[in-house]
Amino acid sequence: KQEVTQIPAALSVPEGENLVLNCSFTDSAIYNLQWFRQDPGKGLTSLLLIQSSQREQTSGRLNASLDKSSGRSTLYIAASQPGDSATYLCAVFNNAGNMLTFGGGTRLMVKP
Amino acid sequence: DTGVSQDPRHKITKRGQNVTFRCDPISEHNRLYWYRQTLGQGPEFLTYFQNEAQLEKSRLLSDRFSAERPKGSFSTLEIQRTEQGDSAMYLCATKAGQYTEAFFGQGTRLTVV
Repeated sequence: KQEVTQIPAALSVPEGENLVLNCSFTDSAIYNLQWFRQDPGKGLTSLLLIQSSQREQTSGRLNASLDKSSGRSTLYIAASQPGDSATYLCAVFNNAGNMLTFGGGTRLMVKP
Repeated sequence: DTGVSQDPRHKITKRGQNVTFRCDPISEHNRLYWYRQTLGQGPEFLTYFQNEAQLEKSRLLSDRFSAERPKGSFSTLEIQRTEQGDSAMYLCATKAGQYTEAFFGQGTRLTVV
């Protein structure tokens, strides 16, 4: 059974810092990995999708990497802003593409 | 709005009542997923449809839960004889294909009193 772990569970940083969020998964037989953002009481907003054959994806200040063989992904946020405060979730699709398994999330607070 | 739409956004019900939630996918997305999320946790998989066929069901989906996707378009999730433990956010997600991005709706927040 796939298990996804996110470390740290919570993070507080001053505005302007670069930061890294970590995600690990136990079964490397994945189709792809997706990072999401969730604001309190809201649904999930897709940030980045990395296919299993890719090593990284970039969108603006966000860069996500994937090391499938070691079961790890990182989300790098450059020059953090208070508006980045949210919970960040990583999720992996199994090889059949019919189930997305989530980590518990990292709650990020960026202080002005 | 061309995103995933869920209705209602909030539902308060008394224990023992039945509730039904609806999810309207992004047009032409043939894959549809239901998830449940409790406070402080990541979403947990409930069930998966490809077109109108329900292909996967989690063991979390007890006999009181049923999901349908008639004609492969919108989907409904029904909970019968609700219990306080059913209080959660119910999320719907859709995808266009196997390798594509999943898009989530805003969720339905269920409170059972």
